Amino acid sequence: GENVEQHPSTLSVQEGDSAVIKCTYSDSASNYFPWYKQELGKRPQLIIDIRSNVGEKKDQRIAVTLNKTAKHFSLHITETQPEDSAVYFCAASRGYGGATNKLIFGTGTLLAVQP
Amino acid sequence: NAGVTQTPKFQVLKTGQSMTLQCAQDMNHNSMYWYRQDPGMGLRLIYYSASEGTTDKGEVPNGYNVSRLNKREFSLRLESAAPSQTSVYFCASSDNPPQDRSEKLFFGSGTQLSVL
Repeated sequence: GENVEQHPSTLSVQEGDSAVIKCTYSDSASNYFPWYKQELGKRPQLIIDIRSNVGEKKDQRIAVTLNKTAKHFSLHITETQPEDSAVYFCAASRGYGGATNKLIFGTGTLLAVQP
Repeated sequence: NAGVTQTPKFQVLKTGQSMTLQCAQDMNHNSMYWYRQDPGMGLRLIYYSASEGTTDKGEVPNGYNVSRLNKREFSLRLESAAPSQTSVYFCASSDNPPQDRSEKLFFGSGTQLSVL
């Protein structure tokens, strides 16, 4: 089955700096890679996702890159703000090709943005 | 629009007791999931259901059973609770969108379960 590794487990940056979180996956058939943000005491929420036919996707200050050959993908947050402080999870799946999106998550990165 | 509703929000059990976590979604989604979240372990898939009447094991199914009662409801049962099942449990649902659309999971608010 799929295995997703995520690094680092904690990341502290100064407000305005950039933050990068990296993930690797094991199943070469995986083709869908979302990122979820979980604020303290809240439920996870999707912030951005990418499919295997796309190498990069941006949404304002957030971007995700994918290297299919190396089986790794990364989340980039620019101009970090205190409200970006949260736990971020990467995930991977084969998507709905198998009738359901069996999503496997990484272990999470606690991002702390220091004002 | 309530989204995904989980009950209860908190529960304390003694070792060996049983309980059922309830989950319902009002978005007409086909797929539903149960995850558990433990510190340093991320979100681990317990069971999932692609559609009404079907269920499949995830990464950590031992000690749990599930029922997809209808399209709206997906329950998780602990027959004989153990301290290792102390965790936060999240139910989630998703649709089966066209290939180019997001396969977003909608999560419930979670259940904090402690087994003493």
